[in-house]
Amino acid sequence: DAKTTQPTSMDCAEGRAANLPCNHSTISGNEYVYWYRQIHSQGPQYIIHGLKNNETNEMASLIITEDRKSSTLILPHATLRDTAVYYCIVRVSRQLTFGSGTQLTVLP
Amino acid sequence: ETGVTQSPTHLIKTRGQQVTLRCSSQSGHNTVSWYQQALGQGPQFIFQYYREEENGRGNFPPRFSGLQFPNYSSELNVNALELDDSALYLCASSLAQAFSNQPQHFGDGTRLSIL
Repeated sequence: DAKTTQPTSMDCAEGRAANLPCNHSTISGNEYVYWYRQIHSQGPQYIIHGLKNNETNEMASLIITEDRKSSTLILPHATLRDTAVYYCIVRVSRQLTFGSGTQLTVLP
Repeated sequence: ETGVTQSPTHLIKTRGQQVTLRCSSQSGHNTVSWYQQALGQGPQFIFQYYREEENGRGNFPPRFSGLQFPNYSSELNVNALELDDSALYLCASSLAQAFSNQPQHFGDGTRLSIL
């Protein structure tokens, strides 16, 4: 599975959009981009995934660049409960390979 | 709420002992994966079970073993416990091994402490 690069930490004001970037320059054609988040002391929570097209669900939007070498997870209206570690994962095999993720802190 | 339940939530063991952790998968899911998460790190893949057989394994020694039952629930067994086995053990279920784009859904884990 391709490796991903994410910023270590980010802050976002409550009510504003949180934009979390991820670089995956070695992604291959059949690898999906997944996003999970983990709130302290809980298991990772699935957010969204995509292959080529932008995706949106009730939690977030996923924007994948045309060359697929990077993506952005967008939380449209961040709340305090969105404070968590966000993991960007590129996957084709059975397993999910987690990196260090981005610690997102939503500030009041 | 993913519907994936793990038991127990916390467990304390001593070095050399054996432990069994349990996982009930989300309804309709037939694949179970296990992960180990050490403090301050991301989860690391241990192995996956599909149709009651191991279907992929990470870089973990043979003393880590598992089972999957006909109802798709699963167990993780660890023998000869070492201090470094102290971690959060996570179970994730998903639908159909053949469709690798199906997301895995995690339980809240078992916190294992080795004294």
